[in-house]
Amino acid sequence: DAGVIQSPRHEVTEMGQEVTLRCKPISGHNSLFWYRQTMMRGLELLIYFNNNVPIDDSGMPEDRFSAKMPNASFSTLKIQPSEPRDSAVYFCASRNRERMNTEAFFGQGTRLTVV
Amino acid sequence: AQSVTQLDSQVPVFEEAPVELRCNYSSSVSVYLFWYVQYPNQGLQLLLKYLSGSTLVESINGFEAEFNKSQTSFHLRKPSVHISDTAEYFCAVQFEGSQGNLIFGKGTKLSVKP
Repeated sequence: DAGVIQSPRHEVTEMGQEVTLRCKPISGHNSLFWYRQTMMRGLELLIYFNNNVPIDDSGMPEDRFSAKMPNASFSTLKIQPSEPRDSAVYFCASRNRERMNTEAFFGQGTRLTVV
Repeated sequence: AQSVTQLDSQVPVFEEAPVELRCNYSSSVSVYLFWYVQYPNQGLQLLLKYLSGSTLVESINGFEAEFNKSQTSFHLRKPSVHISDTAEYFCAVQFEGSQGNLIFGKGTKLSVKP
């Protein structure tokens, strides 16, 4: 298996532009997580899905952030409009929820820079 | 409230010295415990995990962690570190009934010096 695949690996955009981050979870996994990592705040959970349904989005910073999971093999995290303070590394992770004690597998992350 | 605490944000050590990275959690329910490692410019990788059974768990590269229920801790140790162990280490906890969500500590940056 190729693991969790995120794209793009790097994104540089101007303030006010829309940014879309993509994630393909490991086949067969039915839980998907989006995390944001910054120096100041560490690793923060933004939202997670079980069986494509959002379970907890309390970590989403504000309405500019939205996430979707239209099917079991794809998820997006969108920021519109983007701001410089959104600059961070965004990680996607997936796990097999049917086995409650298994670990989450992380993608390589998307480094977002908003200028 | 359920939480995970890594008290040390940075731990500098010399090569071949022992190291302990601390992790404490707060919970009134059962937990599953994990340590992840993040090398520069990479994602997080599982280092080891405690699910049940023996409270001492080991990784393939010499790290070990011990689950201490009474102290609600899961400290990570290695008797002799290498330069290649330089990375950030995250403790993570899954609380029973949490629908599978992992709560991460803020991470500890281990810096191994020659």
